Order: sequence, then structure tokens, then C-alpha cells
Amino acid sequence: GESVGLHLPTLSVQEGDNSIINCAYSNSASDYFIWYKQESGKGPQFIIDIRSNMDKRQGQRVTVLLNKTVKHLSLQIAATQPGDSAVYFCAETTGKGAGTYKYIFGTGTRLKVLA
Amino acid sequence: KAGVTQTPRYLIKTRGQQVTLSCSPISGHRSVSWYQQTPGQGLQFLFEYFSETQRNKGNFPGRFSGRQFSNSRSEMNVSTLELGDSALYLCASSPGGGDSPLHFGNGTRLTVT
Repeated sequence: GESVGLHLPTLSVQEGDNSIINCAYSNSASDYFIWYKQESGKGPQFIIDIRSNMDKRQGQRVTVLLNKTVKHLSLQIAATQPGDSAVYFCAETTGKGAGTYKYIFGTGTRLKVLA
Repeated sequence: KAGVTQTPRYLIKTRGQQVTLSCSPISGHRSVSWYQQTPGQGLQFLFEYFSETQRNKGNFPGRFSGRQFSNSRSEMNVSTLELGDSALYLCASSPGGGDSPLHFGNGTRLTVT
């Protein structure tokens, strides 16, 4: 069935280093992907998105890479800061046309930033 | 622009009771979706409303229901509460095209005892 998964449930990174969070998706028809950050006690917060006609997109300190050949998505965070500590989710939308799409979320990776 | 607002933030109910959760979407967003989040199951899709109509539904029992009003505000109701319904319930809004990010509220933490 359709699924979005993550390779690493917990990632510990030294402050100032770069972080890479990975995600695998199973539906080759998915055409829109999103990364979210969820801090304790809060709802998921949108970080960055990418459409299937792109393979890379950059934001402020974050880059998302999409490899459609192997159905892999990654989030790179540059110069990781303590405030980046959170759970990160990837999500994909599948289905065409209004009313048929669904957002499918991965289980999440916890990022711990070490001082 | 104000974000998605969910009320109440916390609820404690006993088995067999019912509960109603409320969500106010971002102004101009016509789609409201509800998710259940638990440590073991992650984010599970409940349903989506668009222009007062349920447009999509997840695999939850009929005890879970929702509605959307003409101002796009939404409510979800859970009847005959079970212990397993304890979770964080998240509401998310979007313009509704499936090609834009969902914007989440901070959720309602429901505890069933």
C-alpha cells in the first residue's frame, strides 16, 4: 500500500554541523512533497516543499532533495542550531484532481542537537 | 495573518462520553482536515471538508464525525469515547487544491479515562 517512511527514527547532531534527514516514499505517482517540523506541544510546522518536476529546492538554511528514480526525499539543515531540535516529518500527496488527493505522512525522525 | 486555531487545548473525558473539538482555519482557506496523532501510529487522517462537504475520509469508525460551517470553521465529534481515543487531534487548513502545504494548529490533547 501507499506509505511514506523514514530510515532513522533518531538523529543526533553536533551544534553547527549539517543535518540530513531522509525519507522514502512508495507511490511513484506522488507529485508534491512537504517537510514539517514538530516541536513538543505544538502542531507540525511547514518547512519547505518540492514538486515532482524539481529535484532540489532551497530555503533559509534548509534544502530539500528529491530523487524520483529511487523514490527518496531528504531534508538538509545547514549549521544546525539548538532550536532545530524537533521531530521532522515528510509528507506526500497522492491522487489527481480535486477531492482525490491525500496527504500521507511519515512516522517522523527526532533530531537532537548536541551542544 | 492568524494561524489555525484549535479549541480547547486539553480535554479529559471518561469512557462512553462524547466530545466536540473546534477548528478555525486560516482566513481564505476552504479546506479543513483532521488528523489523529499518537506515538504508536503517527499522523492518521480522519477526514477533510471543503466548502461544507466531506470530500475525503480515512479509516476511522463512524463514532468519529465532523462538519464544516459556511465560514470554513470546522468541528469534529467523537461519540462513545474509548480509552484508545486518547490522542492529539490536529486540524489543518489549506486552500484545497492538494498542491499546497497543510497548515496545522497546535492540536487538542484528548485524554480518555
